[in-house]
Amino acid sequence: EDQVTQSPEALRLQEGESSSLNCSYTVSGLRGLFWYRQDPGKGPEFLFTLYSAGEEKEKERLKATLTKKESFLHITAPKPEDSATYLCAGYSGTYKYIFGTGTRLKVLA
Amino acid sequence: DTEVTQTPKHLVMGMTNKKSLKCEQHMGHRAMYWYKQKAKKPPELMFVYSYEKLSINESVPSRFSPECPNSSLLNLHLHALQPEDSALYLCASSQDLRGQGRTGELFFGEGSRLTVL
Repeated sequence: EDQVTQSPEALRLQEGESSSLNCSYTVSGLRGLFWYRQDPGKGPEFLFTLYSAGEEKEKERLKATLTKKESFLHITAPKPEDSATYLCAGYSGTYKYIFGTGTRLKVLA
Repeated sequence: DTEVTQTPKHLVMGMTNKKSLKCEQHMGHRAMYWYKQKAKKPPELMFVYSYEKLSINESVPSRFSPECPNSSLLNLHLHALQPEDSALYLCASSQDLRGQGRTGELFFGEGSRLTVL
């Protein structure tokens, strides 16, 4: 069965303290790995798409990487406004996006 | 600003009411989705429309009735809901890239917060 697992469930960082979020997947014939940011009570906001192992994408303080088994979202020198839930999702085909349960990130000033 | 617009943002309804959630996108996407999300849980797929035809119904109770009037609009009609149906309802759309052997990302709206009394 296709599955996406995210760790840790929650993470508290001091402002400027870099870290990584993990997304492990077992999705047969993965056709895309997606990262989203979600603020409380809002819809997920698209961040990155990764299609093949070795691919990397960057945006401001965020960098996403992909291997054959997992993806990482690296956050460099985070700020309080980076506090949110970060979701990853694998696409298995036929409109099915398999979401992980998310990592709730809190960045303290 | 999100390019997927959902209305209303908040809805409170009784168990005997009939209401509708609306979603609109103008990105030319031909796949549109309804997701349900409970607190601290990931989005859960309900329905998918592809080229205005219902492609996926994830065994959703019949008290939820989707409708896709055209390629830009998606509705979710609600009737005789239960308190456990209270949740954030998310509409999303995606580009059809099957011809390129891959898929596009989902673009979500801000959601409709539904409370069933």
